[in-house]
Amino acid sequence: EVHLVESGGDLMQPGGALRLSCAASGFTVNSNYMAWVRQAPGKGLEWISTVYNDGSTYYADSVKGRFSISRDNSINTLFLQMAGLRAEDTAIYYCARLIRGGSNIWYFDLWGRGTLVTVSS
Amino acid sequence: SYALTQPPSVSVFPGQTASITCSGQKLGERFASWYQQRPGQSPVLVLYQDNKRPSGITERFSGSNSANTATLTISGAQVLDEADYYCQTWDTTTAALVFGGGTRLTVL
Repeated sequence: EVHLVESGGDLMQPGGALRLSCAASGFTVNSNYMAWVRQAPGKGLEWISTVYNDGSTYYADSVKGRFSISRDNSINTLFLQMAGLRAEDTAIYYCARLIRGGSNIWYFDLWGRGTLVTVSS
Repeated sequence: SYALTQPPSVSVFPGQTASITCSGQKLGERFASWYQQRPGQSPVLVLYQDNKRPSGITERFSGSNSANTATLTISGAQVLDEADYYCQTWDTTTAALVFGGGTRLTVL
């Protein structure tokens, strides 16, 4: 059975840095497209980053230059390195598997339970 | 940047058909997916490629997409369908994944 389990969320001060982890089971991270999606309290879903199976990375403008997505194939884990944290980064961060069904067909077929990041002084 | 717009809320009585819309410029020329998120839970994919259902998703969920609007239709709405629903597509120019703002479905 396939699973994603996020960890690393914490209460952080503005300007701080944090690394989130997403351990995958039942499939290999580096053979898939993987992403991070966040949800601020009481708000909607916001895509923030994707890593392709070829290693290409993409970021939402809201986190570009501050966040970095990566993976460790040896432990089948996806990471999100966060720096320069702001109050508006407060959210549940979900790891998700992204399916490319065709040139224009992209959807998330597997989600983790999320990990909460709170940025407050 | 590309944007998707959903109504904040939709209400139906049990057994009725619920329709949730998602609007975006020439959305019909792209593909839409839909996610259900119950309170306190992670999102679940309920439709992809406009109208395809993943394994395990009830046939009561169907979808369409043309012109500027994609629609998620839930036939015979049940209390267990109460949730937030999000549409999503892909922005070809930026490779960004785009979500609508979400619609809260209430089954009265």
